[in-house]
Amino acid sequence: GQNIDQPTEMTATEGAIVQINCTYQTSGFNGLFWYQQHAGEAPTFLSYNVLDGLEEKGRFSSFLSRSKGYSYLLLKELQMKDSASYLCAVVDSNYQLIWGAGTKLIIKP
Amino acid sequence: EAEVAQSPRYKITEKSQAVAFWCDPISGHATLYWYRQILGQGPELLVQFQDESVVDDSQLPKDRFSAERLKGVDSTLKIQPAELGDSAMYLCASSLVGDASYEQYFGPGTRLTVT
Repeated sequence: GQNIDQPTEMTATEGAIVQINCTYQTSGFNGLFWYQQHAGEAPTFLSYNVLDGLEEKGRFSSFLSRSKGYSYLLLKELQMKDSASYLCAVVDSNYQLIWGAGTKLIIKP
Repeated sequence: EAEVAQSPRYKITEKSQAVAFWCDPISGHATLYWYRQILGQGPELLVQFQDESVVDDSQLPKDRFSAERLKGVDSTLKIQPAELGDSAMYLCASSLVGDASYEQYFGPGTRLTVT
């Protein structure tokens, strides 16, 4: 079967750095997305990785290791508005999107 | 900036009643997705359209759910009869093409409560 694992919940302090991990076991791989979802709202696109390595975009960075079936989202200089759920999703060999359950990130002052 | 539109934003209905949701994707987006998201879980794909054709409806409970996109633009998702377990957020998303490696743009969702 296809499986994506993320921690259910994480807590971090305003101004700090947090890393949200995602491991996947899917039938093939054609890319990995990270989406942000604030409570009661729709997901919004953060990043897309298809090659190994780190992609940096402002305060957010995303890393991929295809050989390890692993990705992480790194958030720097945390702000209260970063409190949200972060969804990892993998594009499988049939170009279907497999979603993780999301990681709820709580930012404390 | 173009957005995906959905209505209604909130819907409360009694079990056994019929309910319908509407979605208008970003202009020019050929692919439209309907998802169901239960609190604390990731989105679950219900149906995917490419223009007016259904590409994937393998997870759609066809005994009570139906979806259409008659002119290949806006779409309607219907539930009849609604059950308590249908309470969830229903999300519509669109993308330029049907390849899932393309970013999906989500609408604000419809929060359904079945009582």
